[in-house]
Amino acid sequence: AQSVTQLDSQVPVFEEAPVELRCNYSSSVSVYLFWYVQYPNQGLQLLLKYLSGSTLVKGINGFEAEFNKSQTSFHLRKPSVHISDTAEYFCAVSGKLQGAQKLVFGQGTRLTINP
Amino acid sequence: DTGVSQDPRHKITKRGQNVTFRCDPISEHNRLYWYRQTLGQGPEFLTYFQNEAQLEKSRLLSDRFSAERPKGSFSTLEIQRTEQGDSAMYLCASSHIRLAGPALFSEQYFGPGTRLTVT
Repeated sequence: AQSVTQLDSQVPVFEEAPVELRCNYSSSVSVYLFWYVQYPNQGLQLLLKYLSGSTLVKGINGFEAEFNKSQTSFHLRKPSVHISDTAEYFCAVSGKLQGAQKLVFGQGTRLTINP
Repeated sequence: DTGVSQDPRHKITKRGQNVTFRCDPISEHNRLYWYRQTLGQGPEFLTYFQNEAQLEKSRLLSDRFSAERPKGSFSTLEIQRTEQGDSAMYLCASSHIRLAGPALFSEQYFGPGTRLTVT
């Protein structure tokens, strides 16, 4: 079984400042890792994913994340945020060799960008 | 638009009534998932289909819930005798299973969700 902990429920930052959203996971098997974004009253949109290979993953909208196996972390970063980045961000994992590949999500981090 | 679609987008019902939601996946996606998201929480897995076969159900899916995917295309999720605790956003996702190195992988694409309010 897997579990995901997003360490911050809310992160307020000023526009054009850098941001890091933290994610730690627990799993007894190898995992795939994901970050999704959810805008108000909408479904989830995939920002980026880690399957294998390079531990630094680049996604859409200027976001990137780094997989750290020893610390079981997959933190999301953006060097300069924009007002339009205001949304809820979810970290998720799925077991690599498990048939269902169901996603296990964290509780979410609400990113608020202040002008 | 060829993404995942869900209908209705919003549903308000009285406690004890039955409701049914529909999900149309991306064409030719062989997997379809249902998740439930309550306010302030991340989505939680309910069930998934590979083609028309329902292969796994979460313990969250009580006897009042039933899901079908009769022809391996669209899916329906029915809740009987709704309770106030069923109020949530119900999300559908679809994917196409493929090999990623030595393992299977399927990237899930989510629909906009159906928001259910039980009064």
